[in-house]
Amino acid sequence: DVKVTQSSRYLVKRTGEKVFLECVQDMDHENMFWYRQDPGLGLRLIYFSYDVKMKEKGDIPEGYSVSREKKERFSLILESASTNQTSMYLCASRTGTSGNNEQFFGPGTRLTVL
Amino acid sequence: AQKVTQAQTEISVVEKEDVTLDCVYETRDTTYYLFWYKQPPSGELVFLIRRNSFDEQNEISGRYSWNFQKSTSSFNFTITASQVVDSAVYFCALRHTGGTSYGKLTFGQGTILTVHP
Repeated sequence: DVKVTQSSRYLVKRTGEKVFLECVQDMDHENMFWYRQDPGLGLRLIYFSYDVKMKEKGDIPEGYSVSREKKERFSLILESASTNQTSMYLCASRTGTSGNNEQFFGPGTRLTVL
Repeated sequence: AQKVTQAQTEISVVEKEDVTLDCVYETRDTTYYLFWYKQPPSGELVFLIRRNSFDEQNEISGRYSWNFQKSTSSFNFTITASQVVDSAVYFCALRHTGGTSYGKLTFGQGTILTVHP
């Protein structure tokens, strides 16, 4: 089974802190994605990576950065957390070898910024 | 621009009722893919179905069925004889094609389905 894991289910941070959200997948997938989920807005793409050390901005990249040093790991970084970044963060991965493969999701990290 | 609209924010039904979740999409691509995902209370999105734009056949999988109509840009999802375990948030999504899309998905807002015993 494909497994996408995220480092924390729940996280509480203070405004201005640097926050790292980690995502690891065990299926050798090329593509990885970070989304945030907010009520009434669905999932919105923050950043994605199509290969190691490659990254592309999604629809809402402001206030975030990412790192992909190894194929299995994709990190989302909040350089200076703000209260409007309180949200559920979901990581996903997919194989890049076929155009229509689905994304596999992790369990999510619910981040609260105080 | 790609857009997916799930107009039903919340639906509440009683067990054994049939329920249809609506999904309308906008795209300029001639080739595209549509997906449905289920998000149970545990939080992890679970893939349900994928449909490409060339295949307008409806699909049935157990109590689940999907109606894809290109003419109305809709990809609706019906649960027959709903059960309490069907309670979840359901997302419809549209996959970008071509260029450097790399499988990016545009999601709808989600529909919260609650099935009461």
